[in-house]
Amino acid sequence: SQKIEQNSEALNIQEGKTATLTCNYTNYSPAYLQWYRQDPGRGPVFLLLIRENEKEKRKERLKVTFDTTLKQSLFHITASQPADSATYLCALRDDKIIFGKGTRLHILP
Amino acid sequence: NAGVTQTPKFQVLKTGQSMTLQCAQDMNHNSMYWYRQDPGMGLRLIYYSASEGTTDKGEVPNGYNVSRLNKREFSLRLESAAPSQTSVYFCASNIGLQYFGPGTRLLVL
Repeated sequence: SQKIEQNSEALNIQEGKTATLTCNYTNYSPAYLQWYRQDPGRGPVFLLLIRENEKEKRKERLKVTFDTTLKQSLFHITASQPADSATYLCALRDDKIIFGKGTRLHILP
Repeated sequence: NAGVTQTPKFQVLKTGQSMTLQCAQDMNHNSMYWYRQDPGMGLRLIYYSASEGTTDKGEVPNGYNVSRLNKREFSLRLESAAPSQTSVYFCASNIGLQYFGPGTRLLVL
């Protein structure tokens, strides 16, 4: 069956360190993969998109990698700040957009 | 430019009552989507509309109907609400990079 999996447990990271979140998928061949941020009580907000032929994408302190062999994307936040605390969702494009359940990230001051 | 707007923000219904959730976007997007988000379940697609005049079922369509009134507006109707429909409902637009509304919190007693 098709699955998109993110670590369901919350991730606690010390301020200033790099936070790394994982998104794994099975039985999909997505054309691209996206990452969204969701704050409590709000809708998700798009952060980054990475295509199947791209290994890495960067935007300011954010970096996303996409390994189609491993069927995995990693999302990194460098020099993390308490304001980065949120839930991060990965999503992939099949015939529709399919979302993972998200990982809650807490940056500890 | 308001993006994606949803009304109401919050609603309490009794079992068996009906209601319509409204969504509008001003970005001239062809595609619009309705999701529900429940703790531990992530975002699940209820219905989507790839273009004006078309609608299709998503992952969890039972108990819902939709209307794509025009290019801007996509409404979700609960004909006979059930406690299992207690959730946060998000409308989104665009097929790739998705833009989300602020959500409607629905409580069915």
